[in-house]
Amino acid sequence: GAGVSQSPSNKVTEKGKDVELRCDPISGHTALYWYRQRLGQGLEFLIYFQGNSAPDKSGLPSDRFSAERTGESVSTLTIQRTQQEDSAVYLCASSLLGRAGDEQFFGPGTRLTVL
Amino acid sequence: AQSVSQHNHHVILSEAASLELGCNYSYGGTVNLFWYVQYPGQHLQLLLKYFSGDPLVKGIKGFEAEFIKSKFSFNLRKPSVQWSDTAEYFCAVSPGSWGKLQFGAGTQVVVTP
Repeated sequence: GAGVSQSPSNKVTEKGKDVELRCDPISGHTALYWYRQRLGQGLEFLIYFQGNSAPDKSGLPSDRFSAERTGESVSTLTIQRTQQEDSAVYLCASSLLGRAGDEQFFGPGTRLTVL
Repeated sequence: AQSVSQHNHHVILSEAASLELGCNYSYGGTVNLFWYVQYPGQHLQLLLKYFSGDPLVKGIKGFEAEFIKSKFSFNLRKPSVQWSDTAEYFCAVSPGSWGKLQFGAGTQVVVTP
């Protein structure tokens, strides 16, 4: 595809509900990242997939957060029992090989609002 | 704790003024340094990066940044800004060999005509 796509673009949910956010990386990119940006703050790393390696989950803030990736394509970030502090823009990025110097290409983000 | 600090959260300047945005990081060892920019209504995109070699790196749209290892800094500069440079600018660090990024809080730059 032309770029990283994410869906939905906006999601409003009630506290306690589960949500799923989707990311389609650039075709051929082996690395995929999830970040979140709370209002007025920088991007916060959540999780990183690289090829067939075990994902780096070191940034997930709690066990309510999980993510999966199917091969080198689509990824889904799931937040269970959402809380108001989960409100943020969730950004997905992909890079060709996942090396430190590789440019990450970002999607437009999903704006999550938890009421 | 390892961190990335951007000195200014909000900068307002006039067209043709010079811009310098500060970025300091606290990682030891090998780091890779980036500036990303988000123009209004657009995705985050790479402005420039330092991986190795010449510590003065040039990016798109006339931006440049200087890596000063002794100061743990990677400041962004542009000699003469344009209204179209209005955006939010993020400094980011990728420590080690793999690519996850740690970002600073961002600097909102507003250029007035």
